[in-house]
This record gives sequence, structure tokens and C-alpha cells, in this order.
Amino acid sequence: DAKTTQPPSMDCAEGRAANLPCNHSTISGNEYVYWYRQIHSQGPQYIIHGLKNNETNEMASLIITEDRKSSTLILPHATLRDTAVYYCIVRVYPLSGGYQKVTFGTGTKLQVIP
Amino acid sequence: GAVVSQHPSRVICKSGTSVKIECRSLDFQATTMFWYRQFPKQSLMLMATSNEGSKATYEQGVEKDKFLINHASLTLSTLTVTSAHPEDSSFYICSASRGLYGYTFGSGTRLTVV
Repeated sequence: DAKTTQPPSMDCAEGRAANLPCNHSTISGNEYVYWYRQIHSQGPQYIIHGLKNNETNEMASLIITEDRKSSTLILPHATLRDTAVYYCIVRVYPLSGGYQKVTFGTGTKLQVIP
Repeated sequence: GAVVSQHPSRVICKSGTSVKIECRSLDFQATTMFWYRQFPKQSLMLMATSNEGSKATYEQGVEKDKFLINHASLTLSTLTVTSAHPEDSSFYICSASRGLYGYTFGSGTRLTVV
């Protein structure tokens, strides 16, 4: 797996957009970028994923640079419930139907401030 | 969406006893599940990969005789912490592969050994 680096912590005012960066400079051409978040004492929750195009769903937007060496997760209107640790992960999608184990980095602790 | 159910959510046991944690995929079949351990203020650490019908694959440094994993069906994997000691107290999380959509995680089990 390509390694990822994220800032250890960030603050964001409630109602504002939270932009969480992730560096994955050694990403391979067939590796996807995934984002998960973990709210205190819960299991991680899937947010979004992408390969090379920008993606948007009901939770967030994912912006991947053209060279794919970095990405940004955007929470458009952060709420207090978005306070969590956010993990950026890269992994290959096993087209053969197999699996690939995932290891987590340290993530970014996002604190949404009232 | 896909749900992974993990039980119990919280358990307290006496030192020397064994504890079993169950992980079930409720609406999909999971040939592969993963078990993680998380200590306070740390990231998730992959312990082992559980494969239906075969032996689990353990990460380096994880004692396979202490952390017994059984994946007897396509919807159930169990982790048994044998002869638990206080240092085994941790947050244990399972996950199942969902192909392109990454992984779905259980809600975690808080184990306290007294």
C-alpha cells in the first residue's frame, strides 16, 4: 500500500467548510483513495472514495490532484457531529474479487468549534 | 447499506479468562474479515485477516495462540482472547470487505480485563 501523510489535527468553525488534506505521493496507478472517519469509541465509517476524478456524495467531496499525489476531503458545512478522526487510505481494488488488507495511519483529528 | 454487527459492545472479564467477540455481516457475504485493535489515542492496528473456511493470517507480533480467530461461515467471524490479561484491555474492531466500496466496520468491542 502507498503510504499517506496527514496533519495530526485541525480546527474548523461550525458551518464552515472543513478541508482535510492528504499526501499520497507514492500512489500507484491502480490505487484508489479512500476516506474514513472514526467518531470516539466507534468503528470507522466510510465517507467517500475516488481514483482520479473528483467525487461528491451526500457526506463530502473528494478532490484529487491531477498527478494523484495528494487529495483533499471537503466537508462543505461542518457540524459538531463531524468532530472525529479522519483517515485517508489508498488501496487497490481487487478486480479478481479478492481482498487487500488495509492499514491505517494516524489520521487527522478534526475538531469542529461552535 | 451493508452492515457489520459486532458483539458485545463492551465486556469486562477477570484476568485469566477467555472472551469471545463476534462479527457478523448482516446483509452481505464476507469471505474475508479483518480484526483490528486500538489503544487509547492511537490508530487502528491490524491484527489478522480472517478467511472463511481456512486459517487466519496474523500480522507480525500478534500471538495466534492468544487471539484465536474462527471464520466458520460467510457471515460470521469470531475473535477469542484467551487467558486475557490487563494488557489485553483495548478496543477491538472487525471489518469486512465490500469490494470497490472499501470496508464496512463493526461498532467495536471495549474489552477491560481486571
